[in-house]
Amino acid sequence: QVQLRESGPGLVKPSETLSLTCTVSGGSISSSEYYWGWIRQPPGKGLEWIGSIYFTGSTHSHPSLKSRVTISADTSKNQFSLNLNSVTAADTAVYYCARHVVTSGWFLPDFWGQGTLVTVSS
Amino acid sequence: SSELTQDPAVSVALGQTVRITCQGDSLRNYFASWYQQKPGQAPILVIYNKDIRPSGIPDRFSGSSSGNTASLTITGAQTEDEADYYCNSRDRFGNHLLFGGGTRLTVL
Repeated sequence: QVQLRESGPGLVKPSETLSLTCTVSGGSISSSEYYWGWIRQPPGKGLEWIGSIYFTGSTHSHPSLKSRVTISADTSKNQFSLNLNSVTAADTAVYYCARHVVTSGWFLPDFWGQGTLVTVSS
Repeated sequence: SSELTQDPAVSVALGQTVRITCQGDSLRNYFASWYQQKPGQAPILVIYNKDIRPSGIPDRFSGSSSGNTASLTITGAQTEDEADYYCNSRDRFGNHLLFGGGTRLTVL
């Protein structure tokens, strides 16, 4: 059974960079069957897809965040990471990492980590 | 529109059938998937590719689609089905993923 675990600072100052890492166990991020990505949920609000990465290094990201988002992967550690720069209070959210299964020519999140709350505040 | 629209809240009597809907232009071309989220927990996938249930999801959950509307139906709702439900699909240009705003299901 795959497990995903998010790690990183729970508090980030405005204008700085939010950095999170997802460690995957029970599965390989080098698999051609999956993308690996990030989704966030502001407190009391809905889900927002951030972006994803494939083992080839190909990435996709939400247009509203694209200019601030970098998603990368370290296959030697079976980890992938999210960097979101120039953060504001609006970026305060629970951040989930998720496996995205490749299906019907695209991908969708099929298994999620437990999430980590990141607060943007000075 | 590139959005997916859901009713904010729906209620159902215990044991009855409830349909949760998701509307969006992209649903005319792309499949929907559905997620269940209980308070303090990560979402879990309950339906994908319009009507496929992952292993372990009860068969009272089913999906369908017509035109610009995707639906999640729970036949014989149980107390443990009380949760927030989110639809998900590609945007109308097929470039990224979208989530609906979520529907809070109350089982009475």
